[in-house]
Amino acid sequence: KNEVEQSPQNLTAQEGEFITINCSYSVGISALHWLQQHPGGGIVSLFMLSSGKKKHGRLIATINIQEKHSSLHITASHPRDSAVYICAVARSGGYQKVTFGTGTKLQVIP
Amino acid sequence: AAGVIQSPRHLIKEKRETATLKCYPIPRHDTVYWYQQGPGQDPQFLISFYEKMQSDKGSIPDRFSAQQFSDYHSELNMSSLELGDSALYFCASSSGTGGTQYFGPGTRLLVL
Repeated sequence: KNEVEQSPQNLTAQEGEFITINCSYSVGISALHWLQQHPGGGIVSLFMLSSGKKKHGRLIATINIQEKHSSLHITASHPRDSAVYICAVARSGGYQKVTFGTGTKLQVIP
Repeated sequence: AAGVIQSPRHLIKEKRETATLKCYPIPRHDTVYWYQQGPGQDPQFLISFYEKMQSDKGSIPDRFSAQQFSDYHSELNMSSLELGDSALYFCASSSGTGGTQYFGPGTRLLVL
């Protein structure tokens, strides 16, 4: 079982829909990252969370430390949101190798 | 705010050539991490440095080496390149041991 699990693996949505991507992890963490990767593109860091909720534009990220779960929400989705969204966790304690989830491939159709 | 800078952003090499990728951390960050993401694969940790010393080692091939310099930038040296080395190489930086990692945009390497 992977230490970081994401769901769904693939997601197709109509433009304007509200989208939720989930991430569950099984290790103690000091921070959780949500990353965006466009096809052929580099990594863009969307959020870094250690507790609570963060909002940036149409994106909202939440984390529940007790339940070891985080969600990324996209409101009023747009075709330019089409990308792979990756959840990554930094383990607590010591030097931190970040462990990555398998990513969620999102396609938003006009 | 300044972010992690990587250069070059794209690189094309032939088999058996060498390549050097550079990572410039956020100012005052003293720790650098290197990751490799092959096509359709999850990113994998390669190696990290703290205060110019190797701090952790992952699945880095023996053909690769890396170091961190006095200004805290890091270079990943890749020799005898193979087709399978084609990947996105991105780095992250943090402040101190256990600091939150900030990711760079990556260098996309294509080996022909």
